[in-house]
Amino acid sequence: QVQLQESGPGLVKPSETLTLTCTVPPGSILDYCWSWIRQPAGKGLEWVGRLHTSGNTYYNPSLKSRVTLSVSTSKNQFSLRLTSITAADTAVYYCARERRSGPGEPFFFDSWGPGALVTVSS
Amino acid sequence: DIQMTQSPSTLSASVGDRVTITCRASQSISSWLAWYQQKPGKAPKLLIYKASILESGVPSRFSGSGSGTEFTLTISSLQPDDFATYYCQQYNSYLYTFGQGTKLEVK
Repeated sequence: QVQLQESGPGLVKPSETLTLTCTVPPGSILDYCWSWIRQPAGKGLEWVGRLHTSGNTYYNPSLKSRVTLSVSTSKNQFSLRLTSITAADTAVYYCARERRSGPGEPFFFDSWGPGALVTVSS
Repeated sequence: DIQMTQSPSTLSASVGDRVTITCRASQSISSWLAWYQQKPGKAPKLLIYKASILESGVPSRFSGSGSGTEFTLTISSLQPDDFATYYCQQYNSYLYTFGQGTKLEVK
């Protein structure tokens, strides 16, 4: 499995902005699509957003007004920025690589980072 | 959004049992369905994609089937390492959605 690693602050105050970074294997950032997925403690998985190889970004409508994904090719990283944080954003945040089984087919998640716990509290 | 519903939410079974988990989509997703296994404190791990294709390295006791709106994940003979939570996920729509999870626990 491909090694991905999330990094960022473990604690964020309400109303602040969260920025998380995912470091991917060198040279691969432009060859794949990448996503962020989050999971509140004891709950299920929620897709947050994706960065396509085209440079286009796609966001979960439930978060769309608050989330931005970006990429740094020189650092082999892509980032998640989430504004106006509330306690409801407390979760483990995973970055994941997307792969497809054939040309023109849609993408699924084939590799995940270990996750970064983000707690929102004053 | 495409809603994914798994059943059961919890499944109690013993080593050696054959178990089946069902996942239903609120609309047709063709075969664009993946299954993941998640253990406590760990990231999900891909088991199956395109409804029935086993990811490399995944034991052959895992199998998937279905198309359209109804899918199943079957473990033919449960091993101790298989007790975990399983999620289905549709990728027919770019708005990816997951089932709520099925916790497979020791009977």
